Amino acid sequence: DQQVKQNSPSLSVQEGRISILNCDYTNSMFDYFLWYKKYPAEGPTFLISISSIKDKNEDGRFTVFLNKSAKHLSLHIVPSQPGDSAVYFCAASPRSANTGTASKLTFGTGTRLQVTL
Amino acid sequence: NAGVTQTPKFRVLKTGQSMTLLCAQDMNHEYMYWYRQDPGMGLRLIHYSVGEGTTAKGEVPDGYNVSRLKKQNFLLGLESAAPSQTSVYFCASSYAIAYEQYFGPGTRLTVT
Repeated sequence: DQQVKQNSPSLSVQEGRISILNCDYTNSMFDYFLWYKKYPAEGPTFLISISSIKDKNEDGRFTVFLNKSAKHLSLHIVPSQPGDSAVYFCAASPRSANTGTASKLTFGTGTRLQVTL
Repeated sequence: NAGVTQTPKFRVLKTGQSMTLLCAQDMNHEYMYWYRQDPGMGLRLIHYSVGEGTTAKGEVPDGYNVSRLKKQNFLLGLESAAPSQTSVYFCASSYAIAYEQYFGPGTRLTVT
């Protein structure tokens, strides 16, 4: 049972345009969400996070939006740059449920973003 | 400050051979994790540890063993490698269980 889903395995966007990566979740206990970026032959690196008390979090060119009623989050990259070409993973956790080790992160399957010139 | 390091970076094993993957972190994190990444499957948790001397099973623990004898090290062992264990293995650590995880560069393992 995939609790965190990234239904688009790949996305191609022109340089300078907006990239929108989507993520859906099924577990209503999830209240903390993260995005990771992964380049080939490297480990994932943390990009941005959002708590369920917010519906938007911004960090430079990266903005994460959370729609709790739809159990959906998205990562917007504006403007997209060639260096943004990577695989993006979303992850979720029932952080404030204080369920001990059940609070560990659950990852999606990833979306490969290619930013073209 | 090296963060999370993994040894080795690449390895080829024959079916039935054994090996140990080493993960080290210098951030004084309590929590450490081993994941495998396969095409179309994302990151799947193999085992994790909530502190020195502790280990716990994750989503796909069969065929693997782990040990956390020192806080900064987390070892992943394959006692009898199988072709199904061909994968890229990532180690990660975090300050607490649901906080950001910091990943190592990965180990690419091929079992023939």
